[in-house]
Amino acid sequence: AQSVTQPDIHITVSEGASLELRCNYSYGATPYLFWYVQSPGQGLQLLLKYFSGDTLVQGIKGFEAEFKRSQSSFNLRKPSVHWSDAAEYFCAVGDQAGTALIFGKGTTLSVSS
Amino acid sequence: GAVVSQHPSRVICKSGTSVKIECRSLDFQATTMFWYRQFPKKSLMLMATSNEGSKATYEQGVEKDKFLINHASLTLSTLTVTSAHPEDSSFYICSAPTGGNTIYFGEGSWLTVV
Repeated sequence: AQSVTQPDIHITVSEGASLELRCNYSYGATPYLFWYVQSPGQGLQLLLKYFSGDTLVQGIKGFEAEFKRSQSSFNLRKPSVHWSDAAEYFCAVGDQAGTALIFGKGTTLSVSS
Repeated sequence: GAVVSQHPSRVICKSGTSVKIECRSLDFQATTMFWYRQFPKKSLMLMATSNEGSKATYEQGVEKDKFLINHASLTLSTLTVTSAHPEDSSFYICSAPTGGNTIYFGEGSWLTVV
């Protein structure tokens, strides 16, 4: 079955420290992969996406993600976290750009000072 | 850039009444839109696929008669929660693909049934 797993429910990172949020997927076809961020009570904002090509994808707000087919992973990284990055992060997968997405359960990021 | 707008952003309704949520693509046409539901501190679950000019496709377990979806034009899909009950209280969010490699999400709608 198609699924997305975000193993970490909650992560706390010190401000200025590096961040990695894990995402693993199970998908029969070539996946289209996304990372979204959601602030409390708000909608979703797209951080980055991967369809094909370079497996290291740059996104907004200094985020990047690396697609590793052999590990079925699409981990999100940021070299230096800011307090404003505290939010809920969702990894999602689809089989083409125009289809519905399957979301992971999300990872809550807290940033400590 | 392309934007998907939802209205209302927040709505409170009495138990037993119906409430309509609109999802509009503002500067592109969307023959397909998707409706998701998000429970507090939970992930987004696909409810249904809204198809312009035809019936919506519902996911397993979603009550078609309770969650009425109408995609009357290429820029508007509506979700009507009929005979709402407190357990229908949730965050509802729509998305629309642009036809390219982009999917846009609406801002979401908070429904509270009292």
